[in-house]
Amino acid sequence: AQKITQTQPGMFVQEKEAVTLDCTYDTSDQSYGLFWYKQPSSGEMIFLIYQGSYDEQNATEGRYSLNFQKARKSANLVISASQLGDSAMYFCAMRELGRGNNDMRFGAGTRLTVKP
Amino acid sequence: ETGVTQSPTHLIKTRGQQVTLRCSSQSGHNTVSWYQQALGQGPQFIFQYYREEENGRGNFPPRFSGLQFPNYSSELNVNALELDDSALYLCASSRLRQGVSTGELFFGEGSRLTVL
Repeated sequence: AQKITQTQPGMFVQEKEAVTLDCTYDTSDQSYGLFWYKQPSSGEMIFLIYQGSYDEQNATEGRYSLNFQKARKSANLVISASQLGDSAMYFCAMRELGRGNNDMRFGAGTRLTVKP
Repeated sequence: ETGVTQSPTHLIKTRGQQVTLRCSSQSGHNTVSWYQQALGQGPQFIFQYYREEENGRGNFPPRFSGLQFPNYSSELNVNALELDDSALYLCASSRLRQGVSTGELFFGEGSRLTVL
């Protein structure tokens, strides 16, 4: 069974600094995808970044990067140069690829607060 | 803006009633998934619809049912509402990228259901 663990219920970061949000996962499949989503108070889940299990390089998307350590089964999100608008809930998620379904499993989330 | 729209945005029901939630997927997406997000938790997969048929289901009882229409829009129906059904219900659609599904989901802003 898949399992996503986010051990940080809440995190604080000073504006313009970098922050790392932790995520570990558990799966017996070799082919899977890892995702990070941002959820502001409006409720919409906003896709941030994707990492495939066979990708050799860490994914980057603007200020977001994913620190993928396959052997440790971790997929931490790094946000550089934090902005006030980054304050939100952040969810790590995983899906087994190739099945053609969208059974994406989410962690419990981390609430990030950016301080001015 | 993901192009996924959900209605209604908020609604209040009483125990035992039935509810129907609606979702219009992003243009070109043929798969719709529904998630339940209880307060303070990550989204939980309810089921997925692909080409008008259920294509995967999470750990939810049969009183949770759905439909997908030829235009790929979808409905989530919940019968015999219980207090624990109070949650944000998220709809998500997906697309192919360069002929390959990355599994990225595009979410709507959700329908917040309160059961009294």
